[in-house]
Amino acid sequence: GDSVTQMEGPVTLSEEAFLTINCTYTATGYPSLFWYVQYPGEGLQLLLKATKADDKGSNKGFEATYRKETTSFHLEKGSVQVSDSAVYFCALSRGGSQGNLIFGKGTKLSVKP
Amino acid sequence: GAGVSQSPSNKVTEKGKDVELRCDPISGHTALYWYRQRLGQGLEFLIYFQGNSAPDKSGLPSDRFSAERTGESVSTLTIQRTQQEDSAVYLCASSSDGPTDTQYFGPGTRLTVL
Repeated sequence: GDSVTQMEGPVTLSEEAFLTINCTYTATGYPSLFWYVQYPGEGLQLLLKATKADDKGSNKGFEATYRKETTSFHLEKGSVQVSDSAVYFCALSRGGSQGNLIFGKGTKLSVKP
Repeated sequence: GAGVSQSPSNKVTEKGKDVELRCDPISGHTALYWYRQRLGQGLEFLIYFQGNSAPDKSGLPSDRFSAERTGESVSTLTIQRTQQEDSAVYLCASSSDGPTDTQYFGPGTRLTVL
């Protein structure tokens, strides 16, 4: 079945460091790919998405590129801030009648000042 | 505008009791989803409602779990004869049209089964 694998955390970085959180997927067809973020004490919210190969999603300085050849959707940010501390979830949706999201297990990021 | 709301925010129950969890989606959203997040795990899909179509129940873990939705509004997730392994955060999400649209999540209901 379809699945999402993301790097295990926790990840601890210093402020202004470069961030990469790896995400790979297994799916039939051409899924849409998402990164969701859950800040401490808050609900899950969409960070960015890409719906077809080679698309780049971006938001709040974060980027991820849909790579069909490597079935990957790695999340990157050039300079993290303390306020980026959160749990990040990679997810896919096959669309159509199978519209539910399939999530990775989440990666906890802590950014130290 | 109002987001997805869920109630109660926390629920503590004894093993064997039934519980009902409520979700109010964003007004006008035709699609509604229930997920479960157990401690240290990713989110697991439970059930998906789309308009008037039959719901996709493929994620429900057992026949103790059921859900209903009234038209395109409120949904209730019911867990009968709760077990300790049902302890989790139950999240509801809605989207405006279909599965390729952004899903907006509620704050969740934390269920603890003693």
